[in-house]
Amino acid sequence: NAGVMQNPRHLVRRRGQEARLRCSPMKGHSHVYWYRQLPEEGLKFMVYLQKENIIDESGMPKERFSAEFPKEGPSILRIQQVVRGDSAAYFCASSSLSRGNEQFFGPGTRLTVL
Amino acid sequence: QQQVKQSPQSLIVQKGGISIINCAYENTAFDYFPWYQQFPGKGPALLIAIRPDVSEKKEGRFTISFNKSAKQFSLHIMDSQPGDSATYFCAASPLDDKIIFGKGTRLHILP
Repeated sequence: NAGVMQNPRHLVRRRGQEARLRCSPMKGHSHVYWYRQLPEEGLKFMVYLQKENIIDESGMPKERFSAEFPKEGPSILRIQQVVRGDSAAYFCASSSLSRGNEQFFGPGTRLTVL
Repeated sequence: QQQVKQSPQSLIVQKGGISIINCAYENTAFDYFPWYQQFPGKGPALLIAIRPDVSEKKEGRFTISFNKSAKQFSLHIMDSQPGDSATYFCAASPLDDKIIFGKGTRLHILP
């Protein structure tokens, strides 16, 4: 039973490029959450999605960031025109309605912006 | 109101000792309180969680104590081992909603 999968594990981008982070939830999970972790910091909520719907994007920066969770395929967190301040670890978590809030995290994508 | 305050920031405990990490919250709508363990370079892993209808939950060497009236909860690690050295995050959320994390405690167990 595979856990939450994220790829790539490491991503290097130059300022102004686009970053695409992918998350495949655990089998049977239809809820996906994205969090950002800065060095020596806790995890900050970004967005909560269900299949084809954004439920809560209150933690997403208003510009350059977007997320989707299509009917088929992984959830995508997209960062356009990256800046150095976007360098962080981005974690995806998934849950199923039957398990309430119990969220299982992926290994994360570490984004470095040069 | 959405914050979860965690202390201490870092903690050093002798092998075999008890590690205690404390958290406090304000939002009375929170009804799920998990603790996550994170090793360097890895994602957080759910360690143990509690709901406010119980005051204590124990799983092996890990115990959560919950004080609803004080809006506080804590993690106790009994017989701490070097392998427990990691960063621990307390968290809270309303049902079926995003999790609010504390800032983390870096725990180091001396061999």
